[in-house]
Amino acid sequence: AQSVTQLDSQVPVFEEAPVELRCNYSSSVSVYLFWYVQYPNQGLQLLLKYLSGSTLVKGINGFEAEFNKSQTSFHLRKPSVHISDTAEYFCAVSERWGIQGAQKLVFGQGTRLTINP
Amino acid sequence: EAGVAQSPRYKIIEKRQSVAFWCNPISGHATLYWYQQILGQGPKLLIQFQNNGVVDDSQLPKDRFSAERLKGVDSTLKIQPAKLEDSAVYLCASSFSRGPYEQYFGPGTRLTVT
Repeated sequence: AQSVTQLDSQVPVFEEAPVELRCNYSSSVSVYLFWYVQYPNQGLQLLLKYLSGSTLVKGINGFEAEFNKSQTSFHLRKPSVHISDTAEYFCAVSERWGIQGAQKLVFGQGTRLTINP
Repeated sequence: EAGVAQSPRYKIIEKRQSVAFWCNPISGHATLYWYQQILGQGPKLLIQFQNNGVVDDSQLPKDRFSAERLKGVDSTLKIQPAKLEDSAVYLCASSFSRGPYEQYFGPGTRLTVT
């Protein structure tokens, strides 16, 4: 079974500063990795995903993440944050070959990113 | 393109009552998911449908929760009877098909059980 650990429950950052949200996963099989963002009173929205190939993945809104297989990590980064990036961020993992091709996402507990002016 | 629709947005019930949630996925999406998100936690998958068949319901508490997707489009999730620990946001998501396709989430239904 897979599990996801998001190492920081809250991250406060000043506007225009860089940010890194950390994610580690545990799995005995090959996985796909995802980052989702949740704005207040809204559903989740996909930021980016790693399926295969280049370990550096670029997503929407200027975010990127790097897959590190040896460290089982998939940290999310942005070089300069904006007030509008204030939200909850979730890292998620799924098996590459689930039962019947099922895409079962296992989510971390989330990191609340707060951008201060 | 219309997103995933859910109703109601909020529901307050007393314990031991029953409740139902409705989800309308994005048109053409074959796969539909129901997640439970307890305050302060990430979403947890309850059940996954492929068209009108169940692919995975291993984490659905079947003694009180049930879900159906009769015509392979809309879906309903029911809780009967509700417990205090069922207080959560219930999220519906859909994707084009099985596999690593993007899951599109609805706004969720916030359930409070008193």
